[in-house]
Amino acid sequence: KAGVTQTPRYLIKTRGQQVTLSCSPISGHRSVSWYQQTPGQGLQFLFEYFSETQRNKGNFPGRFSGRQFSNSRSEMNVSTLELGDSALYLCASSVEAGTYNEQFFGPGTRLTVL
Amino acid sequence: AQSVTQPDIHITVSEGASLELRCNYSYGATPYLFWYVQSPGQGLQLLLKYFSGDTLVQGIKGFEAEFKRSQSSFNLRKPSVHWSDAAEYFCAVGAPGGYQKVTFGTGTKLQVIP
Repeated sequence: KAGVTQTPRYLIKTRGQQVTLSCSPISGHRSVSWYQQTPGQGLQFLFEYFSETQRNKGNFPGRFSGRQFSNSRSEMNVSTLELGDSALYLCASSVEAGTYNEQFFGPGTRLTVL
Repeated sequence: AQSVTQPDIHITVSEGASLELRCNYSYGATPYLFWYVQSPGQGLQLLLKYFSGDTLVQGIKGFEAEFKRSQSSFNLRKPSVHWSDAAEYFCAVGAPGGYQKVTFGTGTKLQVIP
C-alpha cells in the first residue's frame, strides 16, 4: 500500500506570494491533518479534514487554509507569505477523524520564503 | 494547558549501548502519551503510545516507554541502539478529542557512533 505522498517536496517563494501544497493520503484513509514544523516552534497542528469538511483547526491566522476533495486528497494554501512561514509542512492521514487512530505522515514539503 | 518538555536537545550514544530519552509532561488528568521518530527527509512515525492500563508500553523497533504518573514522565528506552536509530525523537501529550489536542515536544536528536 502506498504511503502518504506530498507534492512538491521543496518550494521557494518570496514574501507576499501565495502557495498551494498537496497531500494524497493512504488509500482508504478519509482524514487528513496538516502540521507546521519549525525549529523554534516545533510541530504545530494546522487543521484536520474529514469527508471534505474541516473538523478541527489549530491556532493559525486565516492566511492558512485548506480543503479536501471527494477522493480524500487535500490541499493547503498559504496566502501573503511571510518569512516566518518558512517551515516543513507535514500531512498525515488516518482512517477516521477526531480519534486517536494512528496517523501516517508524509515526508513533508519544505517551504522557504525569501 | 498541556505541555511537554524534552530536556535533551542532542544525545550521542555508541552503537550497542542502551538509550533513554527523557520526556516530562504537564497535564491535569491522565494524558495520552506518544513517542514519534523522524528520520532525515521523512515524516514522523509512531513508535508507541500510552492511553491507559499497563504503564510499560512496548513499541516498534525494540523501543519501550514507561509512564510514571508521580514523576510526570514518559521516558523512551531501548536496550541496544543500532546505527539506524539515528534520528530525531518527539514526545507528545494529548487530551481527549483527537490530534488537534496533541502538543509535541521540541525533539531530541540522537546520534549513534560506531
